[in-house]
Amino acid sequence: EPEVTQTPSHQVTQMGQEVILRCVPISNHLYFYWYRQILGQKVEFLVSFYNNEISEKSEIFDDQFSVERPDGSNFTLKIRSTKLEDSAMYFCASRGTSGGRNEQYFGPGTRLTVT
Amino acid sequence: AQSVSQHNHHVILSEAASLELGCNYSYGGTVNLFWYVQYPGQHLQLLLKYFSGDPLVKGIKGFEAEFIKSKFSFNLRKPSVQWSDTAEYFCAVNAQTGRRALTFGSGTRLQVQP
Repeated sequence: EPEVTQTPSHQVTQMGQEVILRCVPISNHLYFYWYRQILGQKVEFLVSFYNNEISEKSEIFDDQFSVERPDGSNFTLKIRSTKLEDSAMYFCASRGTSGGRNEQYFGPGTRLTVT
Repeated sequence: AQSVSQHNHHVILSEAASLELGCNYSYGGTVNLFWYVQYPGQHLQLLLKYFSGDPLVKGIKGFEAEFIKSKFSFNLRKPSVQWSDTAEYFCAVNAQTGRRALTFGSGTRLQVQP
């Protein structure tokens, strides 16, 4: 069964450094998402991406964040200058064809630790 | 704006006990409803979903949920839990039109004792 994959599984970085989290969505999916979960808190939406542009974003997704689909398979989240409060589990998700009914499939997550 | 409330934060049950986890949502339009499960050390997996039609939906591993529109609720049930059901359970909603991002509840940690 196809699945969403994410790399790395765990990333440790120093405050102020740039990080890039990578995701490979399910191959025929068109909609891509990033969510994050700070330890002990709920899963929060960051951004969605369709047709090579951001379709919606939350207030968390400020200028420090960017997303890109550099080729036909990868979907990346970049944090330009990490802060301690960016430490969280970051989940990528993808969804199939158009219409509101398709469920999102989640990857295993990348645990980001900012020191 | 959408919001989701899960009132049980931590539930401890013995094996074979029945389970019901509450989920209430707030949204003015038509929604899709989901329950996701996160087993220890694993990623979010879809347990079941409701889009329309029969308000009682059945999912994997013997779980079911009932959508009660008048109560804005989508409670998760299982008649007899097993030790392997120990996990965190998340209720989530998204709009059927417009904003499709999922809004999650805070999660319920279920611990099943053998």
